[in-house]
Amino acid sequence: AQSVTQLDSHVSVSEGTPVLLRCNYSSSYSPSLFWYVQHPNKGLQLLLKYTSAATLVKGINGFEAEFKKSETSFHLTKPSAHMSDAAEYFCVVALGSNYQLIWGAGTKLIIKP
Amino acid sequence: GAVVSQHPSRVICKSGTSVKIECRSLDFQATTMFWYRQFPKQSLMLMATSNEGSKATYEQGVEKDKFLINHASLTLSTLTVTSAHPEDSSFYICSAPWNGGDYNEQFFGPGTRLTVL
Repeated sequence: AQSVTQLDSHVSVSEGTPVLLRCNYSSSYSPSLFWYVQHPNKGLQLLLKYTSAATLVKGINGFEAEFKKSETSFHLTKPSAHMSDAAEYFCVVALGSNYQLIWGAGTKLIIKP
Repeated sequence: GAVVSQHPSRVICKSGTSVKIECRSLDFQATTMFWYRQFPKQSLMLMATSNEGSKATYEQGVEKDKFLINHASLTLSTLTVTSAHPEDSSFYICSAPWNGGDYNEQFFGPGTRLTVL
């Protein structure tokens, strides 16, 4: 069965320090993986996606994620946090060709001034 | 990228009334759309898959008669919450896959916040 586990419900970092949001997945297929961000009272925005091309994926706003098959992980990182990064982040696995998505529980990123 | 809109963005209604939420793909056609529900501080829960010209497919535990879905055209799907009750209060989000890009990439509407008094 496919599943997604976001290991931290909350992550708090100081502005200017690195960000690490952890995600592990379980999939019988070669997965497509995504990170979405949801700012308060706003719609979901795609940060980046992995679809079996390069294992290191660069996204918007300085975020990147590395697909590690051996560890079944797809952690999201950013070298230097900005106050505007404060939001909820979701790791998502796509199931084959029927477009269905499996959502992680979300990680709330808190940025301290 | 593709754009998906939802209307209304926010609705407050009395218990027992029905509420219709529209989801539109603005610049592309979507034979399939998805409806999600999100409770406060929780992740998205898939409610149903809306299929243009045919019946929607509901996830286990979602009441078909409660949450009516109609996908009448290639750009519009509607979710009607019938005889709404306070426990139906939630954030409802729709999405549509865009075949112009990665077939697994979906675009999300901004969501509709339903409050049932």
